[in-house]
Amino acid sequence: EVQLVQSGAVVKRPGESLKISCKASGYTFTTHWIGWVRQMPGEGLEWMGMAFPIDSDTRNNPSFAGQAVISVDKFSSTVYLQWDSLKASDTAIYYCARHGGESGYDLDYWGQGTLVTVSS
Amino acid sequence: DIQMTQSPSSLSASVGDRVTITCRASQTISSNLCWYQQKPGKAPKLLIQAASRLLSGVPSRFSGSGSGAVFTLTINSLHPEDSATYFCQQSFSLPALTFGGGTKVEIK
Repeated sequence: EVQLVQSGAVVKRPGESLKISCKASGYTFTTHWIGWVRQMPGEGLEWMGMAFPIDSDTRNNPSFAGQAVISVDKFSSTVYLQWDSLKASDTAIYYCARHGGESGYDLDYWGQGTLVTVSS
Repeated sequence: DIQMTQSPSSLSASVGDRVTITCRASQTISSNLCWYQQKPGKAPKLLIQAASRLLSGVPSRFSGSGSGAVFTLTINSLHPEDSATYFCQQSFSLPALTFGGGTKVEIK
C-alpha cells in the first residue's frame, strides 16, 4: 500500500527557517517524481514543484521562485520542503504528492498535509 | 502557464440529483485532465485521470468527459458523502501543473 507520511504541524516566527518532510513507502521510490502542493487558508491548490529521486532533479513552478526549496533523499525515501526565512504569507497546509499516471503528472497519492503557521 | 477555470464555484443539490461541473483550459490539453475530491480537513483524492478514467474504488456514479479544452465531471445520483470540493488539474505540461479554483458541492 502506497503511503506518504508527513511531519507534524509547526508554528514559526517570521524570519525563521523550516524544513518539513514526507516519507514514502509501499512502492519503489525511485520510479516516480514526488512533489509539493500548497493550500493557503480557505483557498485552492497550487503546485509548487517536484523532484526525481534517482538524480535529485527538480522542476519548480516559476511562481514559487525564491521561496521554498524542494530536495529528496532516495536512501530514506523522503522528500523535503525547506525555507530559509519564513514570511506570514507562507502560512498554509503543504501536501506532498506522488506524480504518476500515463502523463506522469497525475497526483495519484497524497500525504496527510502539514500545517505551517507563521506568526509573530 | 495553462489557466484552468472551473464553474460553478459552488452549488447546492439534493440527494439523488445529477450534478455537472465544468473545467475549461486556456489552451488545448488533449485528454490530460484529472479530477480530485477534497473533504474538509483531508488531503485531495484523485478520482479521475486522463479526463475519463475512474480510479479503482471510485463509485461508478462519478464520470468524466471531454478533450481539448473543455471537460466535465458528472455525479449521477448525488449521495450525502459526495459533499466536498472538487478540483480539476491539467496534467499536460510544465513549467507549472495548474488547478481549477474548485467547486464546492453542498447537499440541500
